Amino acid sequence: AQTVTQSQPEMSVQEAETVTLSCTYDTSESDYYLFWYKQPPSRQMILVIRQEAYKQQNATENRFSVNFQKAAKSFSLKISDSQLGDAAMYFCAYKNSGYALNFGKGTSLLVTP
Amino acid sequence: DVKVTQSSRYLVKRTGEKVFLECVQDMDHENMFWYRQDPGLGLRLIYFSYDVKMKEKGDIPEGYSVSREKKERFSLILESASTNQTSMYLCASSSRHPSGELFFGEGSRLTVL
Repeated sequence: AQTVTQSQPEMSVQEAETVTLSCTYDTSESDYYLFWYKQPPSRQMILVIRQEAYKQQNATENRFSVNFQKAAKSFSLKISDSQLGDAAMYFCAYKNSGYALNFGKGTSLLVTP
Repeated sequence: DVKVTQSSRYLVKRTGEKVFLECVQDMDHENMFWYRQDPGLGLRLIYFSYDVKMKEKGDIPEGYSVSREKKERFSLILESASTNQTSMYLCASSSRHPSGELFFGEGSRLTVL
């Protein structure tokens, strides 16, 4: 199975600042999808952003953007202008042509006033 | 609003009991999944189903079984609950589209005493 590694168990950022969460993955395939999911405390997991591997352009959703480095198998998430509501567990996930997503172990993001 | 609904948010069971976790989705999705979430381990796939009455083992199927008699419903069964099955269980669904975004339920926190 493909592995997804999130090397930062915890991160902290001040409100209005920018933070980058790291993710690397291991695959021998050329076509796949990458995701960042957010899980707020006691709330359900929601999709933050998605990247198709065949697209060179990095995905962006409002304050959230990714840095996708295909050759390095790296997929980091940048959160700009951090808000208190961004505090959550963030999971990086990989999907190939199969059915299921493989998830990393998560990064807990703390946002301080 | 699209939804994945898990029947129980919190359950407390005794060792050896049979446990049913129910999940219903209203998005007409073909694929449904059961993940287990533990601190420091991320999400691990237990079972998934890509069609009615079809099921596939994930990474950690031991001690679990599933049932999918209707498209919208996917049940996780613990035949004889054990303390090491104390965990958060997440149900998710997705369409057959290759990008395969998962939609999650709120989770069922199971404690086995």
